[in-house]
Amino acid sequence: KAGVTQTPRYLIKTRGQQVTLSCSPISGHRSVSWYQQTPGQGLQFLFEYFSETQRNKGNFPGRFSGRQFSNSRSEMNVSTLELGDSALYLCASSLKAVTNTGELFFGEGSRLTVL
Amino acid sequence: GDSVTQMEGPVTLSEEAFLTINCTYTATGYPSLFWYVQYPGEGLQLLLKATKADDKGSNKGFEATYRKETTSFHLEKGSVQVSDSAVYFCALSDQGNKLVFGAGTILRVKS
Repeated sequence: KAGVTQTPRYLIKTRGQQVTLSCSPISGHRSVSWYQQTPGQGLQFLFEYFSETQRNKGNFPGRFSGRQFSNSRSEMNVSTLELGDSALYLCASSLKAVTNTGELFFGEGSRLTVL
Repeated sequence: GDSVTQMEGPVTLSEEAFLTINCTYTATGYPSLFWYVQYPGEGLQLLLKATKADDKGSNKGFEATYRKETTSFHLEKGSVQVSDSAVYFCALSDQGNKLVFGAGTILRVKS
């Protein structure tokens, strides 16, 4: 069965622009989470959506937002990009909303470079 | 807040050596604990998990035991292979699918 698909895989933006990243979860999975991975801060939780509702949010500024559609596909948006937003953005899907009864399946990520 | 501390790498071992990667955590509740692995060029994947104290997670020859008294979840393998070379992340969750990750430990296994 197809894994978690993230698009685009690589992109370059300039400061002040905005970006939208897309994630298609594994078929049947209703939970989608987003993480930011940087060399300095490591892996940090951004937010989680389940059945189109945001269930949890990490400590990121309001410039970071997301949504989930009725088919469970999710998008995240970063507005007014800053140099520090350069990172690998990982999407993960899960069949259930609680990790201690399931597991997260990660995509390969979208690598964003902000110049 | 919750946090995970794991030993810094890189860890370099010869094939068939014993592996230990230390992981300790701080959490207010009773979290579930995980080890994720990232092989070169691939996405993160779950290696093993434990959901309560004294549980032992195991997979592919790797083991880790949830030790509440020492707040630890050390990863061990008796005999590593070159194919085990990867980055290993310890993580916890006490809020649904919100994972708190350690910094990651690079493992290099030489033949």
